[in-house]
Amino acid sequence: QQQVKQSPQSLIVQKGGISIINCAYENTAFDYFPWYQQFPGKGPALLIAIRPDVSEKKEGRFTISFNKSAKQFSLHIMDSQPGDSATYFCAASLGGGSNYKLTFGKGTLLTVNP
Amino acid sequence: DTEVTQTPKHLVMGMTNKKSLKCEQHMGHRAMYWYKQKAKKPPELMFVYSYEKLSINESVPSRFSPECPNSSLLNLHLHALQPEDSALYLCASSTPQGFQTQYFGPGTRLTVL
Repeated sequence: QQQVKQSPQSLIVQKGGISIINCAYENTAFDYFPWYQQFPGKGPALLIAIRPDVSEKKEGRFTISFNKSAKQFSLHIMDSQPGDSATYFCAASLGGGSNYKLTFGKGTLLTVNP
Repeated sequence: DTEVTQTPKHLVMGMTNKKSLKCEQHMGHRAMYWYKQKAKKPPELMFVYSYEKLSINESVPSRFSPECPNSSLLNLHLHALQPEDSALYLCASSTPQGFQTQYFGPGTRLTVL
């Protein structure tokens, strides 16, 4: 079964700290891994995405680390800010062709305290 | 411009009403999606249109009827809904090939009384 397991379910971090959210997948055919950020009452917004041919991708304070052999990937938010408080979803899909399905993790509610 | 717009933002309807949700994108994307999202849950795929043709129906009840009038517009027609259908309905779009980054709209908050 195609699943993406996400942890932790919730996370509280102090301002300036590092937030780390982990995801693990089962289907080795997945080859596209986006992270979405969602604020209450809003739609998910693409934050950063990675393909398994790289081990790390950084965009500003956000970094994805990818471990293909372990079938795991994680989101690191450096210098976390109160404005980063949101729900984060990892996802995976079969890139290419006409497969449109994103398999989402269950989400992590991040709270950054001032 | 990576904007997907949805109207209305909020909708309250009775179980006997007929209403429609609308979605629009001008990114030239030829794949469009409807998702349903319950509180504290990830989005759940309902329908996918590719090149204006229905490509995926995730066994959604017939009280939800999608329509894709053209490559920029996507509608979701609602009829005889149940209270448990209350949720955030999200539209998304992507290119239909390659690594299909999906861009989501802000959603319509639907309440069924």
